[in-house]
Amino acid sequence: GAVVSQHPSWVICKSGTSVKIECRSLDFQATTMFWYRQFPKQSLMLMATSNEGSKATYEQGVEKDKFLINHASLTLSTLTVTSAHPEDSSFYICGADEEGGNTIYFGEGSWLTVV
Amino acid sequence: QKEVEQNSGPLSVPEGAIASLNCTYSDRGSQSFFWYRQYSGKSPELIMFIYSNGDKEDGRFTAQLNKASQYVSLLIRDSQPSDSATYLCAVNSGYSTLTFGKGTMLLVSP
Repeated sequence: GAVVSQHPSWVICKSGTSVKIECRSLDFQATTMFWYRQFPKQSLMLMATSNEGSKATYEQGVEKDKFLINHASLTLSTLTVTSAHPEDSSFYICGADEEGGNTIYFGEGSWLTVV
Repeated sequence: QKEVEQNSGPLSVPEGAIASLNCTYSDRGSQSFFWYRQYSGKSPELIMFIYSNGDKEDGRFTAQLNKASQYVSLLIRDSQPSDSATYLCAVNSGYSTLTFGKGTMLLVSP
């Protein structure tokens, strides 16, 4: 149980364009979803926390207008990187917290390369 | 600021040995503690979690928690080469948000 699916696994986009990453909880309802970013040889850094039907809460230093998060249902959250720049190239990982649970399960991650 | 500290390693152990991974945390109010394994280029996968002081065993893995010392560890018995990965300690201080350490790289040699 507790499977989280993330798509796409990797994406290459041109600088200035936008890219959307989807995160789905397949066999449970996720009250809360989390978006992390991980640069090479670094730890996971929380970008934002989203609850279904409400606005995401962004961590300090994360631009909410650049990283748009939508959590439209209990099983789907999306992260859109707008006007992407090469420095946005990273490994983006979503996590989902099962309703009533206290454990975060992660998706497979999405490698973003901005050229 | 909440911090989770881990030795970056690498920790090298021979196959069949016990690997001991350690983690300290700064927030005394932390409530739950997690160990994730992350293979290179992959997403973290949950190994186990612990909430109470003492030991918790799951197969070859044992998590140990000492809240007074703000210390949590993971023991891997009978280490296998497939256990070679980076092990991330994560601490939940409330509201389901996890704070991760930078991870310890474990290398198990055949």
